[in-house]
Amino acid sequence: KQEVTQIPAALSVPEGENLVLNCSFTDSAIYNLQWFRQDPGKGLTSLLLIQSSQREQTSGRLNASLDKSSGRSTLYIAASQPGDSATYLCAVRVQGGKLIFGQGTELSVKP
Amino acid sequence: DAMVIQNPRYQVTQFGKPVTLSCSQTLNHNVMYWYQQKSSQAPKLLFHYYDKDFNNEADTPDNFQSRRPNTSFCFLDIRSPGLGDAAMYLCATSRGLAGAPNEQFFGPGTRLTVL
Repeated sequence: KQEVTQIPAALSVPEGENLVLNCSFTDSAIYNLQWFRQDPGKGLTSLLLIQSSQREQTSGRLNASLDKSSGRSTLYIAASQPGDSATYLCAVRVQGGKLIFGQGTELSVKP
Repeated sequence: DAMVIQNPRYQVTQFGKPVTLSCSQTLNHNVMYWYQQKSSQAPKLLFHYYDKDFNNEADTPDNFQSRRPNTSFCFLDIRSPGLGDAAMYLCATSRGLAGAPNEQFFGPGTRLTVL
């Protein structure tokens, strides 16, 4: 059974710091991995999608990597800003098309 | 230019009173999903439609039903809401089920309160 774990559960950093969020999954049989952002009480915004054959994807200050063999992904945020404060969720897409989510990392960027 | 729309954004219902949540999409995607997200927990898939084919997750309670009358709309029906059904309900769509890219696009969610 696929399980997705995100560490840490919460993270607080000063503005301007570079930071890394971690995601691990137990079964390497995935189609892709998606990173989402969720603001309090809101829906999910897709940030990056990495296909199982890819190693990384970049969008602006965000860079996501995928090591399928070791079951790990990282989301790197450069030069963090207070507006980056949110919960970040990773999810893997498995056979049948469903997404299996981690519980998220709650990020707080202090001005 | 909203792509996945959910109505209402907030829904309050009474214990045992049936409630329907609505999702619509302008992407013309084949697949529509319903996820349940309880407070501080990961979203959990309830079921999905591939076109008109309904696929229920094994652990989804019978209390939850869904309808998809056409490509654009999908409804979540909770027949007899209990206090434990209070959650954020997220609708998502994708072009297909597998393969590249089949990214899932999410709506803003409906927060359900059960009194």
